[in-house]
Amino acid sequence: GENVEQHPSTLSVQEGDSAVIKCTYSDSASNYFPWYKQELGKRPQLIIDIRSNVGEKKDQRIAVTLNKTAKHFSLHITETQPEDSAVYFCAARRAGNMLTFGGGTRLMVKP
Amino acid sequence: NAGVMQNPRHLVRRRGQEARLRCSPMKGHSHVYWYRQLPEEGLKFMVYLQKENIIDESGMPKERFSAEFPKEGPSILRIQQVVRGDSAAYFCASSPPTRETGGYTFGSGTRLTVV
Repeated sequence: GENVEQHPSTLSVQEGDSAVIKCTYSDSASNYFPWYKQELGKRPQLIIDIRSNVGEKKDQRIAVTLNKTAKHFSLHITETQPEDSAVYFCAARRAGNMLTFGGGTRLMVKP
Repeated sequence: NAGVMQNPRHLVRRRGQEARLRCSPMKGHSHVYWYRQLPEEGLKFMVYLQKENIIDESGMPKERFSAEFPKEGPSILRIQQVVRGDSAAYFCASSPPTRETGGYTFGSGTRLTVV
């Protein structure tokens, strides 16, 4: 089955700096890659996603890039703010509408 | 649209009791997924269900755990004879019936504590 690796597991940045989280996947048939943000004690919430026919997608301060050849995708957050502090999960979808999640990255934005 | 509804939000059970967790998917969603999250850890897939069908239960422990999604009513995750190691947050998610779909929508989770 699909295997998704996520790095780093923790990331600390200064407010205003950029943050990058990287994921790799194993199943070349995966075609959908969402990112979720989970604040402490809350549910995971979808923040951005990308499909395999697109190389990059941007939404205000967040962007996701996808390299299908290398089977990796990344989340980029620019001008980080304290409210960006949370755990971020990448995921990849294989056949049958299943999502496989990475292990998560705890992002801490220091004011 | 009320979103994915899970109840109870918090559940305390003594060792050996049964826990029943309920999940009502978003309106129009017919696919339900259950995930378990231990403190400070990631989302571990448990089971994927459609109405009256278990599609994939590869993440379910072989004993004590079962799940159903009946024709009428919510999906139920049932844990029999709970042990301390079952303490975790259990999240349900739902998605629309088509293959070309977006991400899952998660419920607020049920936090199970076994004492």
